[in-house]
Order: sequence, then structure tokens, then C-alpha cells
Amino acid sequence: KAGVTQTPRYLIKTRGQQVTLSCSPISGHRSVSWYQQTPGQGLQFLFEYFSETQRNKGNFPGRFSGRQFSNSRSEMNVSTLELGDSALYLCASSLAGQGETQYFGPGTRLLVL
Amino acid sequence: KNEVEQSPQNLTAQEGEFITINCSYSVGISALHWLQQHPGGGIVSLFMLSSGKKKHGRLIATINIQEKHSSLHITASHPRDSAVYICAVGYIQGAQKLVFGQGTRLTINP
Repeated sequence: KAGVTQTPRYLIKTRGQQVTLSCSPISGHRSVSWYQQTPGQGLQFLFEYFSETQRNKGNFPGRFSGRQFSNSRSEMNVSTLELGDSALYLCASSLAGQGETQYFGPGTRLLVL
Repeated sequence: KNEVEQSPQNLTAQEGEFITINCSYSVGISALHWLQQHPGGGIVSLFMLSSGKKKHGRLIATINIQEKHSSLHITASHPRDSAVYICAVGYIQGAQKLVFGQGTRLTINP
């Protein structure tokens, strides 16, 4: 069974631009969660999607948004990029999300200049 | 104060040593996860537990719900165990909203 895939793996943007990251979960998994990892703040929860609905959201500004499609693939979007958005963005999938083991993708490393 | 505290932050040991990494949390949880992150960023879920003890190969994870404390043990450590180990907790009220510890950087020297 293929693992969680994320595209692109690396991305360089400039301040003010927007970016869309993609995550394809393991086949059959319906829950997709997104996380941001920075050296200063560590890993932080962004949001979780299940059956195309956002089920939980972390403490991030509205510039961070996401969606999930009917095939469970998910995208996250960051608008009006700031230097502090430079981070590793990880997604993880699980069957139903409720306290289950999560399977992480390799991450997208975003650099904002 | 972080909701999830790990200790130590850094740990260097010789191959073969018994390793213990600790995790403490402040409120009731639905589950606790131990994750491993190698250089390059990939994260692997090692254990998810809500009570008792789990073992997988040389890795053992325990949790004490009353004391709000979990430990990850590595027996007969090997240089390939060198990684960052992260504790994360899921809360009863939430779905998959994990809160993470700051991680423990483990280096095993040959």
C-alpha cells in the first residue's frame, strides 16, 4: 500500500505570495491532519479534515486554510505569506482520525524570502 | 509552561546502552503518541497508547494515567536509533488535534 504523499517537496516563495500544498492519504484513510514544524515552535497542529469537513482547527490565523476532496486528498493554502511561515509542513492520515495511529507524509519544506 | 514536557532535550549515549525518554502532560488525554523523526524530516509513528505498556522490538513505551507520565525505552541502543523522539497527546474533547512535546534529540555513538 502506498504511503502518504505530499507535493511539492520543496518550495520557495516571496512575502505576500500565496501557496497551495497537496497531500494524498493512504488509500482508505478518510482523516487528514496538517502540521507545521519550525525550529522555534516545534510541531503544531493546523487542522484536521474528515469526509470533506474540517473537524478541528489549531491556533493559526485565517491566512491558513484547507480543504478535502471526495477522494480524501487534501490541500492547504497559505495566503499573504510572511517570513515566519517558513517551515516544514507535514500531513498525516488515518482511517477515521479518532485517536488512531497517524501515518505521516515526507513533508513540504517551504521557504519564504 | 508547555502542556507536554519531554526530558531530556538532548541525550548522547554509547551503543548498547539502555535509553529512557520521559514525557509529562498536564490534563487528561485520550491517547499518547511516540513519534520518531530522522534528519530530513520524515516522521514515523512508533506507539499510540492510552494505558499500560506496549513493546515493539527493542522499543518499549509505558504510560501512567494517574501520574500523567509516559516513558519510551530503547534497549540495546544502536547508532541507527539516533533521531528526534517526540511525544504527542490527543485530548478527550478533540478529534485528531495533537499537542506535541519539544522533542528529545538522541545520539547513539558506536
